[in-house]
Amino acid sequence: DGGITQSPKYLFRKEGQNVTLSCEQNLNHDAMYWYRQDPGQGLRLIYYSQIVNDFQKGDIAEGYSVSREKKESFPLTVTSAQKNPTAFYLCASSPGNTDTQYFGPGTRLTVL
Amino acid sequence: GENVEQHPSTLSVQEGDSAVIKCTYSDSASNYFPWYKQELGKGPQLIIDIRSNVGEKKDQRIAVTLNKTAKHFSLHITETQPEDSAVYFCAAAGTGNQFYFGTGTSLTVIP
Repeated sequence: DGGITQSPKYLFRKEGQNVTLSCEQNLNHDAMYWYRQDPGQGLRLIYYSQIVNDFQKGDIAEGYSVSREKKESFPLTVTSAQKNPTAFYLCASSPGNTDTQYFGPGTRLTVL
Repeated sequence: GENVEQHPSTLSVQEGDSAVIKCTYSDSASNYFPWYKQELGKGPQLIIDIRSNVGEKKDQRIAVTLNKTAKHFSLHITETQPEDSAVYFCAAAGTGNQFYFGTGTSLTVIP
């Protein structure tokens, strides 16, 4: 996990509520990413940011929002518009000039 | 976009035997191929990677091979141990550093 923290580890929310997942890194990496993991589907990219104050949609951005106000932080908000939010969410970061991505420990979100 | 297929989805081997996991990709522009190991309830950890200018890379009991012509790459684990039991993911990345992941292989090493 090295230097990437995600909190909380488990999160429960009622349907219709927005929820924000935290991701912090102290690796001085420029790029940060959010993935969603569902059983049997691998990892799918939600949003990514290559530099502060800039971010791009990934393959499944609908119902999610992000911000990148600081280099070390990339919070993800799961909005009520996300139809099936229960999943394991993974944050990753990478140096600006290499391809390797390093992952945090993940947050398991359950919407009741 | 890129499409990565991974096989098998589950794999059981006896301790000490070898395990091989294979992935194929579709985009010839992909040039970076990492492999991750994920233990239950944890984030994936990078175990080995290879770039398109190299055909093979080895790190102790783990090796990765790449065939650019056929667009496939494989993970080889020799002398497997019970602690190798986990889910393994391959990925392919090209321009823009967007990773495309396979669907994972659940490896069980039987003592």
